[in-house]
Amino acid sequence: AQSVTQLDSHVSVSEGTPVLLRCNYSSSYSPSLFWYVQHPNKGLQLLLKYTSAATLVKGINGFEAEFKKSETSFHLTKPSAHMSDAAEYFCVVSVLSGNTGKLIFGQGTTLQVKP
Amino acid sequence: SQTIHQWPATLVQPVGSPLSLECTVEGTSNPNLYWYRQAAGRGLQLLFYSVGIGQISSEVPQNLSASRPQDRQFILSSKKLLLSDSGFYLCAWGTGGSGNTIYFGEGSWLTVV
Repeated sequence: AQSVTQLDSHVSVSEGTPVLLRCNYSSSYSPSLFWYVQHPNKGLQLLLKYTSAATLVKGINGFEAEFKKSETSFHLTKPSAHMSDAAEYFCVVSVLSGNTGKLIFGQGTTLQVKP
Repeated sequence: SQTIHQWPATLVQPVGSPLSLECTVEGTSNPNLYWYRQAAGRGLQLLFYSVGIGQISSEVPQNLSASRPQDRQFILSSKKLLLSDSGFYLCAWGTGGSGNTIYFGEGSWLTVV
């Protein structure tokens, strides 16, 4: 069965320092993986997605993620955190069920950015 | 471009009252449609998805139901709300397939009192 595990429920960084949000996945076939961001009381916004093309995926707002099959990981990184990056981040795997792709969400990682 | 609208944004309802949350998508045809729930401090749980008009699949047994009366309209309903139905409800659409990207609405906060 497909699943994702976000290894940290809460990450705190200082503004201007690197961000690392960790995600491991479990999939019986080559997965499609996503990172979404959710600001307080808002819907989810797609940051980036991996669909078996380049293993290093660049997203919006300076974020990127690297797909590592040997480690079954899809960690999200950003070289320098900004205050506006403070939000909830979800790692997601897409599961094909019939004709539709359903998303399986990790439990989320809260990113705190300190001034 | 495609847009997704969801309403109402917030709702406070008494226990035992009915519920109707509505979602519409513009700029695409025959989308896959989804309802997710996010309980406080938890991840997202898929409640229903639909691949076409009148076609509804339920992921978990619950007090809620969904309907798709038109191609780009998806409605979440309940006849009698429970306290446990409180949460943040998100409508979403996608084009289908294993790698399809799903796009979310702004969400609806439901508080059952």
